[in-house]
Amino acid sequence: AQKITQTQPGMFVQEKEAVTLDCTYDTSDPSYGLFWYKQPSSGEMIFLIYQGSYDQQNATEGRYSLNFQKARKSANLVISASQLGDSAMYFCAMREDRTSYDKVIFGPGTSLSVIP
Amino acid sequence: NAGVMQNPRHLVRRRGQEARLRCSPMKGHSHVYWYRQLPEEGLKFMVYLQKENIIDESGMPKERFSAEFPKEGPSILRIQQVVRGDSAAYFCASSPFGSEQYFGPGTRLTVT
Repeated sequence: AQKITQTQPGMFVQEKEAVTLDCTYDTSDPSYGLFWYKQPSSGEMIFLIYQGSYDQQNATEGRYSLNFQKARKSANLVISASQLGDSAMYFCAMREDRTSYDKVIFGPGTSLSVIP
Repeated sequence: NAGVMQNPRHLVRRRGQEARLRCSPMKGHSHVYWYRQLPEEGLKFMVYLQKENIIDESGMPKERFSAEFPKEGPSILRIQQVVRGDSAAYFCASSPFGSEQYFGPGTRLTVT
């Protein structure tokens, strides 16, 4: 069964606009962590933001914020004031704490293109 | 503090040859994870190692693939008798206590 779903294979956004990248997840573990990574065309994986399942507030890191809706099992990434350098693949990922191995499960990714 | 290092960054092998991918974790990190990214896909977990121990290899193909993390030196992912389907990006990540993972730049393997 798909653990992480990213329903938007490709997204376009105008420069300086905000964009939301969708992510839903499936777990029965009460303790888990959610991550977003950025992968530019150069290929490296860049950590963006983390949300723990017990965190009361939505995580924010600069222009990135995570819209965490636990009951809906969604963890959407919001990028404010898009920049050309934001064009990249974005991966949502989850770590299920019960395994204690911190194995991270990745979604299929969303390709974001920022239009000048 | 240097990040996770992987080498080579690009590796070309002919079918049937062996590929050896190296990962040097961040200083002080004793947990190493290997992931594979096929073209147009997300990363898939392969194996989790601590020094001298394989903890979870549930994502490793049963044949031709092996991994080690010796007491001294980098972690090695070894692929014997490579086939075209092994062409992918292989990422290594390390963590200090089995928590947050820091990714290396990846090794892009091309099998011709």
